[in-house]
Amino acid sequence: QAQLVESGGGVVQPGRSLRLSCEASGFTFSTSGMNWVRQAPGKGLEWVAAIWYDGSNKYYRDSVKGRFTISRDNSKNTLYLQMNSLRAEDTAVYFCAREWLGGMDIWGQGTTVTVSS
Amino acid sequence: DVVMTQSPLSLPVTLGQPASISCRSSQSLLYSDGSTYLNWFQQRPGQSPRRLIYKVSNRGSGVPDRFSGSGSGTDFTLKISRVEAEDVGVYYCMQGTHWPPITFGQGTRLEIK
Repeated sequence: QAQLVESGGGVVQPGRSLRLSCEASGFTFSTSGMNWVRQAPGKGLEWVAAIWYDGSNKYYRDSVKGRFTISRDNSKNTLYLQMNSLRAEDTAVYFCAREWLGGMDIWGQGTTVTVSS
Repeated sequence: DVVMTQSPLSLPVTLGQPASISCRSSQSLLYSDGSTYLNWFQQRPGQSPRRLIYKVSNRGSGVPDRFSGSGSGTDFTLKISRVEAEDVGVYYCMQGTHWPPITFGQGTRLEIK
């Protein structure tokens, strides 16, 4: 069945970097747009970034522009989120999700990022 | 940015009774292709979000038919015809018409009375 598995989360100091990965299986990753969505502790869902199926277009929320980079390797069925200059307010569970018909139909289990000194 | 406003934020419901959640957008979600990209998600405690409804009223794969979505323009509703224990969680609406950014509602917490 279709599945997304995130990895790469952890505890990191403010100003440092982290790279998240999301491995896809059970569907054709190379024809799917993908998203990163985060959820701060006890808070709601917040969209972070999106990338087209071929990587040709990328979109970010304002608060992460210039700090985060979304990318993908279709040969490895893997989505990435490179996070630089991390701030305390980036602390959250990060989910990857497949775009489908203007929504998100497949979600991973999430990976936790904690930014703290 | 399109602001999505849900009400109520907390919804206590008796088992077997209906429930309804409202979602209003700050601008019409009708896209130029004629579709309205309004989605509903359920997040059970400790779990990832699960898509229930896409394009206002289409149920996702495996979603029970007690869940239904309706609405148009800026006003949308998620209805549960008879609440079951497994429906406890937080429900979010999300718009995919005017992006970036994709935006979510604040969430509505459904609990059993």
